[in-house]
Amino acid sequence: DIQMTQSPSSLSASVGDRVIITCRASQGISNYLAWYQQKPGKVPNLLIYATSTLQSGVPSRFSGSGSGTDFTLTISSLQPEDVATYYCQKYNSAPLTFGGGTKVEIK
Amino acid sequence: EVQLVESGGGLVKPGGSLRLSCAASGFTFSDYIMNWVRQAPGKGLEWVSSISSTSAYIYYADSVKGRFTISRDNAKNSLYLQMNSLRAEDTAFYYCAREVSGLDVWGQGTTVTVSS
Repeated sequence: DIQMTQSPSSLSASVGDRVIITCRASQGISNYLAWYQQKPGKVPNLLIYATSTLQSGVPSRFSGSGSGTDFTLTISSLQPEDVATYYCQKYNSAPLTFGGGTKVEIK
Repeated sequence: EVQLVESGGGLVKPGGSLRLSCAASGFTFSDYIMNWVRQAPGKGLEWVSSISSTSAYIYYADSVKGRFTISRDNAKNSLYLQMNSLRAEDTAFYYCAREVSGLDVWGQGTTVTVSS
């Protein structure tokens, strides 16, 4: 099975900073990569699908890129409401494996 | 409004069984692949199982294969997860989720606690 590895596992950044989270697949998954945001105590929310397509309603400060095995989620200007754990997920085929998550905090 | 509502969680002893349900509304349930995802306390998301729109294709995580059974009733707009031989490590919040290029709609979840 394909493994999904996220880094870092946590980060602390200042409001306005650019934040980059990476996700690596152990085998190629084309562009079948999604990103989710889970705020504390809340249900996960789909942010990005197909590597770089923003889900409706997601702020434009979020962006995704990559292909094959290496992917990134970028928050161009971190806001207080972005405090959350972010997960990548492959969905090209089962199992729909998630990455381990990246917890984002405000410095 | 597109909505998924899980039910059926609770406290069960190791080795016991539980059946989770997920009621869908606001969309044509029979058109979509559906999934179960779980999250153990303080841990990350773990995909559990998926079922195609007609139930023709079913997949499980290795951690639950042979113990859990996913099913659906399109006439009732409902998704199910039959969980047998439950273990302490199955303790988690269980979500049902609709699949469209990722999991775009999630329920609020139901808690399963396996403890003696």
